[in-house]
Amino acid sequence: EAGVAQSPRYKIIEKRQSVAFWCNPISGHATLYWYQQILGQGPKLLIQFQNNGVVDDSQLPKDRFSAERLKGVDSTLKIQPAKLEDSAVYLCASSLRSPETQYFGPGTRLLVL
Amino acid sequence: ILNVEQSPQSLHVQEGDSTNFTCSFPSSNFYALHWYRWETAKSPEALFVMTLNGDEKKKGRISATLNTKEGYSYLYIKGSQPEDSATYLCAFTRLQAGTALIFGKGTTLSVSS
Repeated sequence: EAGVAQSPRYKIIEKRQSVAFWCNPISGHATLYWYQQILGQGPKLLIQFQNNGVVDDSQLPKDRFSAERLKGVDSTLKIQPAKLEDSAVYLCASSLRSPETQYFGPGTRLLVL
Repeated sequence: ILNVEQSPQSLHVQEGDSTNFTCSFPSSNFYALHWYRWETAKSPEALFVMTLNGDEKKKGRISATLNTKEGYSYLYIKGSQPEDSATYLCAFTRLQAGTALIFGKGTTLSVSS
């Protein structure tokens, strides 16, 4: 069974630029999560989808971050414009249902200069 | 405020040593406690999911215990090997639909041969 796929693996941009990350969850997993892990901290939830609907986006900085999961399968997370403090690892995870074991992708490491 | 505390923050041991880490979490509305192992440049890997007070899980040389009444879990590694070097994250979920994982900052283990 294929795991959670994410791309790109690494991204370097300058502040005020835009960036997008892509995630393809495990086939059949209805729930998809995006987490942000800043160096020295634990991963923090940004947004949770159930199929193509948003369940929780209370910690998503909506003035600059957006995410979608239009067909209830893969998802994109966008930052526009990026700030220095957005430098982090962005992890995507999926699960059959919530709350169950979540399976993580390898993450996208973003550096904002 | 929902805080998950892990200790120690980092640990360096010699090959063959046994070691243990602590995770403390709020005990109210508890649903499940998760342990993940995260090696550099790889996906976080689920080790255990525990839900019952007094539960014990084992996977090879790694085991975990859970005390939901006092809000703590221990992770034990017997006879550490260099390949055990990783960051060990614990996270919990609450009795509430749509709740994602709430992570601690992790314990980084380094095993020298």
